Amino acid sequence: DAKTTQPPSMDCAEGRAANLPCNHSTISGNEYVYWYRQIHSQGPQYIIHGLKNNETNEMASLIITEDRKSSTLILPHATLRDTAVYYCIVIQGAQKLVFGQGTRLTINP
Amino acid sequence: KAGVTQTPRYLIKTRGQQVTLSCSPISGHRSVSWYQQTPGQGLQFLFEYFSETQRNKGNFPGRFSGRQFSNSRSEMNVSTLELGDSALYLCASSLGQRNQETQYFGPGTRLLVL
Repeated sequence: DAKTTQPPSMDCAEGRAANLPCNHSTISGNEYVYWYRQIHSQGPQYIIHGLKNNETNEMASLIITEDRKSSTLILPHATLRDTAVYYCIVIQGAQKLVFGQGTRLTINP
Repeated sequence: KAGVTQTPRYLIKTRGQQVTLSCSPISGHRSVSWYQQTPGQGLQFLFEYFSETQRNKGNFPGRFSGRQFSNSRSEMNVSTLELGDSALYLCASSLGQRNQETQYFGPGTRLLVL
């Protein structure tokens, strides 16, 4: 599975859009980009995933570049409850998930 | 639909003891995966069960074992506990019908070994 690179930490003001980048330059054609987040000491929460096209659900939007080498998770109106560690992972078909260090997102009031 | 549930949520054991953790997947999900999460090692895959059969296995010693029942509920057992087994144990379920399936995690069981 391809490796991902994320900034270790980010800050965002409450009510603003939080844009979390992820680099996955070695992604292969059949690998999906998944985003999870983990609030302190809780189980990881699935957010969104995509293959090529941009995706949106009730939680977030996922923008994948045309060459698929990077993506951005967008939380449109961040709240204090969005403070968490966000993990971007790239997986093909195996059920085994591997989380990197992720991005620690802090939403400030 | 109810989410993935895990019991117990917290557990304290002493070295040498054994422990059994339980996971109930989302209704209709047939695949259950187990992970160990520690601050030092991050998230590590233990094993995955599908239709009562172990389908994938991580690099953990034989002290770690699991099983899945006909209703898709799963248990994992750790025998001869060591201090280093202190961790958050996470269970994740998915439909399991094809390779690319989203996994949904439970709240985890936090195990402390003294």
